Amino acid sequence: GIQVEQSPPDLILQEGANSTLRCNFSDSVNNLQWFHQNPWGQLINLFYIPSGTKQNGRLSATTVATERYSLLYISSSQTTDSGVYFCAVEYRNDYKLSFGAGTTVTVRA
Amino acid sequence: GAVVSQHPSWVICKSGTSVKIECRSLDFQATTMFWYRQFPKQSLMLMATSNEGSKATYEQGVEKDKFLINHASLTLSTLTVTSAHPEDSSFYICSASRPSGRALEQYFGPGTRLTVT
Repeated sequence: GIQVEQSPPDLILQEGANSTLRCNFSDSVNNLQWFHQNPWGQLINLFYIPSGTKQNGRLSATTVATERYSLLYISSSQTTDSGVYFCAVEYRNDYKLSFGAGTTVTVRA
Repeated sequence: GAVVSQHPSWVICKSGTSVKIECRSLDFQATTMFWYRQFPKQSLMLMATSNEGSKATYEQGVEKDKFLINHASLTLSTLTVTSAHPEDSSFYICSASRPSGRALEQYFGPGTRLTVT
């Protein structure tokens, strides 16, 4: 199956700092989504981004499909950004998502 | 839009009993819903794919007789954990999907924390 690798596994930030999270995948994909899982377990859709660049407030994402990676940028981080960020891809035309292991982000005040 | 609910949010049951978890898409119709399981500090593991009006398809290693899935309408799927045992304790998350180009964009429920004593 496809390999989805996220880095770094853990990230500690001071409030106001910027950061970049990376997702590498081993095969061509039809779909790539970024999620934020908050401390209560809710997964929140951040981006649906199989290719290209998107921005939503302080967050932006870029997927370079030909090079099989995606980046999630967090700017001016806030304590509410803490949680686990997952990258998930669909690659077999069966609509199933394969998740990476996640990046745990802790933003300190 | 794209709100998905789950009920209950947490449940404690005794070993040997069955527990039903509901997943609803509140503001859109979802032909396909998915059920995941997540252990502490781990990623999500897909258990099964649920299509409205047809039998669910289970991932390898998931016991279909233990985890019964019913997708009776375009807005409701249920997961029943039958004869639950302590090793079934986990965080169960559903997602409901809608088309986005060639793929399906998934929206997740808030999860159900199951503890079997």
